[in-house]
Amino acid sequence: QVQLVQSGAEVKKPGASVKVSCKASGNTFSGHYMSWVRQAPGQGPEWMGWINPNSGGTNYAQKFQGWVVMTRDTTISTVYMELSRLTSDDTAVYYCALSYAPHTSFDYWGQGTLVIVSS
Amino acid sequence: QSALTQPASVSGSPGQSITISCTGTSGDVGDYNYVSWYQHHPGKAPKLMIYDVSKRPSGVSNRFSGSKSANTASLTISGLQAEDEADYYCSSYTSGSTYVFGTGTKVTVL
Repeated sequence: QVQLVQSGAEVKKPGASVKVSCKASGNTFSGHYMSWVRQAPGQGPEWMGWINPNSGGTNYAQKFQGWVVMTRDTTISTVYMELSRLTSDDTAVYYCALSYAPHTSFDYWGQGTLVIVSS
Repeated sequence: QSALTQPASVSGSPGQSITISCTGTSGDVGDYNYVSWYQHHPGKAPKLMIYDVSKRPSGVSNRFSGSKSANTASLTISGLQAEDEADYYCSSYTSGSTYVFGTGTKVTVL
């Protein structure tokens, strides 16, 4: 069984950056793809992109290109999502979600990290 | 990439069957059999219920089933139970090598 544990809630000021972590356990870290999905209040989920933890390769949604950076630390089975130039529109719950291929379903999800952007 | 269209809410009595639709385009739902469905209880992690249009992960009740016709996928919940009350989202792989999610459906058990 895979478990994804994310970092805690964050409160940021407009213009700042936020970095959210997602630690995987269950010995499945290197052979999968980790996506980041966010859900703003009252809205549906939005896919932001994925990272291949093994190669470090990334694929970002066009909307987030130049704005989001996904990285990984294989030594601690953790992936990171950093979003810069935050505005109030970025207030959302951010999830990491694991898929076994870059086009298949999200089989496991983290518990979510609430990011609030407020002055 | 526009979100897939789902009804905002669907309701049913215990024991009844309900169906949730998920309408996309030829660039996503219509072109790929990589449609999945997720159950989301607020405050919890989403849970995969259906993948590849109609396959059920191990441990998911066979009361949940999926199908697809042209650009519309559907999730059917039969024998509705109180525990099924949640938000449901569809998702599809797209021609842009990305994913798109549905607008979400709130299922209420009357």
